[in-house]
Amino acid sequence: DAGVTQSPTHLIKTRGQQVTLRCSPKSGHDTVSWYQQALGQGPQFIFQYYEEEERQRGNFPDRFSGHQFPNYSSELNVNALLLGDSALYLCASSLGQGVDTQYFGPGTRLTVL
Amino acid sequence: AQSVTQLDSQVPVFEEAPVELRCNYSSSVSVYLFWYVQYPNQGLQLLLKYLSGSTLVKGINGFEAEFNKSQTSFHLRKPSVHISDTAEYFCAVSGGGSYRPTFGRGTSLIVHP
Repeated sequence: DAGVTQSPTHLIKTRGQQVTLRCSPKSGHDTVSWYQQALGQGPQFIFQYYEEEERQRGNFPDRFSGHQFPNYSSELNVNALLLGDSALYLCASSLGQGVDTQYFGPGTRLTVL
Repeated sequence: AQSVTQLDSQVPVFEEAPVELRCNYSSSVSVYLFWYVQYPNQGLQLLLKYLSGSTLVKGINGFEAEFNKSQTSFHLRKPSVHISDTAEYFCAVSGGGSYRPTFGRGTSLIVHP
């Protein structure tokens, strides 16, 4: 049983560019949450997708957007990249919106130059 | 609003010694509490969680934590650590039906031989 998978594992972009990160949830899970983890910090909640809609959102600007597909996989898009967007982006899946059943993926390391 | 404070950024300990990683939280509603472990270049793995019931929670890898409502604490303990326990540990709180967990900044556990 595959767990949560994310792609790509690493990504390098320059300021002003746009990036798309992808996440496939654990089998049987229908909810995907995204987190940003800056170096030396704990993860910060970006948003959660359930039934193909954004259900909860953290304190992130509109440059951060997402999508959930009918197969429950999800994308995170970040526009107009800033140096401060450099971080590990974690995807977590769960059955339902409760975070008590979350499983995390290995993350995508984004570097903005 | 909810917040988490991990009182120690780094905890060095010798192998087979006991360890306690401290976590205090604040929330205006009833809470769910979590401890996660993150090994280098990996995602987060759930160690244990408190949702309700017994205040002593047992998790994987021999870890346990005690929920203390009066002191708003959820400290993580292990009676005898192993080299392989060297990792970053994160405490998180989710409260009152909110699905937006808040993470602490993490405690780096360093186990010396």
